[in-house]
Amino acid sequence: DGGITQSPKYLFRKEGQNVTLSCEQNLNHDAMYWYRQDPGQGLRLIYYSQIVNDFQKGDIAEGYSVSREKKESFPLTVTSAQKNPTAFYLCASSIAGTATGELFFGEGSRLTVL
Amino acid sequence: QQQVKQSPQSLIVQKGGISIINCAYENTAFDYFPWYQQFPGKGPALLIAIRPDVSEKKEGRFTISFNKSAKQFSLHIMDSQPGDSATYFCAASLIYNFNKFYFGSGTKLNVKP
Repeated sequence: DGGITQSPKYLFRKEGQNVTLSCEQNLNHDAMYWYRQDPGQGLRLIYYSQIVNDFQKGDIAEGYSVSREKKESFPLTVTSAQKNPTAFYLCASSIAGTATGELFFGEGSRLTVL
Repeated sequence: QQQVKQSPQSLIVQKGGISIINCAYENTAFDYFPWYQQFPGKGPALLIAIRPDVSEKKEGRFTISFNKSAKQFSLHIMDSQPGDSATYFCAASLIYNFNKFYFGSGTKLNVKP
């Protein structure tokens, strides 16, 4: 089945540690995104990428980093510089340049900082 | 500044009733307004979307009403069912710039049997 796979589903981190969240898609989509979801705040864009080897900062990029070495993969690293990293992280993809703009989401990764 | 404001934060509706969720937006250039449905522990999924050239779009029990002059749009769920219990997000975007979706804060809907 085509879709987006995020791993791990749950992750615990000690303060000061970097962690990397995986996102893989087999939808052949050009564009990929990372969103952060906090209770009562909706979804906020962290980073997005329209094409391999290119990515752009979203609204809350500080303390995060990404790479896009392959079309299928868009991993997110939560660095120790992120002051409040405990959240639910969602990866999404879409076909770039279409009129529908539908975002396809993964099932999310819940990060808890101990 | 929050680009899309959503209300209410939570909603309880009896089975068979009508659920109404409202959103207001700031940027008059927005031209694509989707609604996403999210079940606990899952990612959101597109439910229904509208462009500003129409005032209403209906898909089954779900209807979007759009008021361009008021910069408001709403989701109506007719004959609400317990299976509709989920969190609903409205969003707004520019059709030529799908990288920038602005999401509302979400509405948690609970449909009582």
